[in-house]
Amino acid sequence: EVQLVESGGGFVQPGGSLRLSCAASGFSFFNYAINWVRQAPGRGLEWVSVISGSGDSPYYTDSVRGRFTISRDNSRNTVYLHMTSLRVEDTAVYYCAKDPTSVGATYPDFWGQGTLVTVSS
Amino acid sequence: IVMTQSPATLSVSLGERATLSCRAGQSVSGKVAWYQHRPGQAPRLLIYATSTRATGVPARFSGGGSGTEFTLTINSLQSEDFAVYYCQQYDDWPQNTFGQGTKLEI
Repeated sequence: EVQLVESGGGFVQPGGSLRLSCAASGFSFFNYAINWVRQAPGRGLEWVSVISGSGDSPYYTDSVRGRFTISRDNSRNTVYLHMTSLRVEDTAVYYCAKDPTSVGATYPDFWGQGTLVTVSS
Repeated sequence: IVMTQSPATLSVSLGERATLSCRAGQSVSGKVAWYQHRPGQAPRLLIYATSTRATGVPARFSGGGSGTEFTLTINSLQSEDFAVYYCQQYDDWPQNTFGQGTKLEI
């Protein structure tokens, strides 16, 4: 059974940093890209970032490029999202989502339950 | 690419059919997916490539469309189908985008 479990969310002041983790199990982790998708309060889904199965191809949406860094440790079946210079508008539930391809940013086929990030003064 | 869903809220009775619409700002080569999202749960992939059902998705869910106009049809609505539904385009790689969602309510 595919499982994705996010952790690391919490409350942080504007300008602060946070690192999210996504622990995966139930599939050949290194063969698949992993996406981060977020949902701000009362809003729809927004794709944030993706990293390929090999970890050598990260991509970001424009609003987080230069502030967020995605990485993965295939020995630990874990993907990370390091978020810096956080803004109020980054407040959202962050989901990690498995891609059905090794390259990523297609149609995520399994999602975690999400972790809430709140940026506020 | 902007994805526009309509209506924002759709009220339908149990056992009836619901048709949800999604319009892309430009042609997306059929690279459209649909997701179901119940409150407090993980989103669930229903349809990809316009009309292919994901593994384990009941046959009462069907997707269609082409060009810039796409639909998700749910036949014989059951209580567990009431949720928010999102369309997504993944043609503009990697900058895939979601619609704003349609809330399906009883």
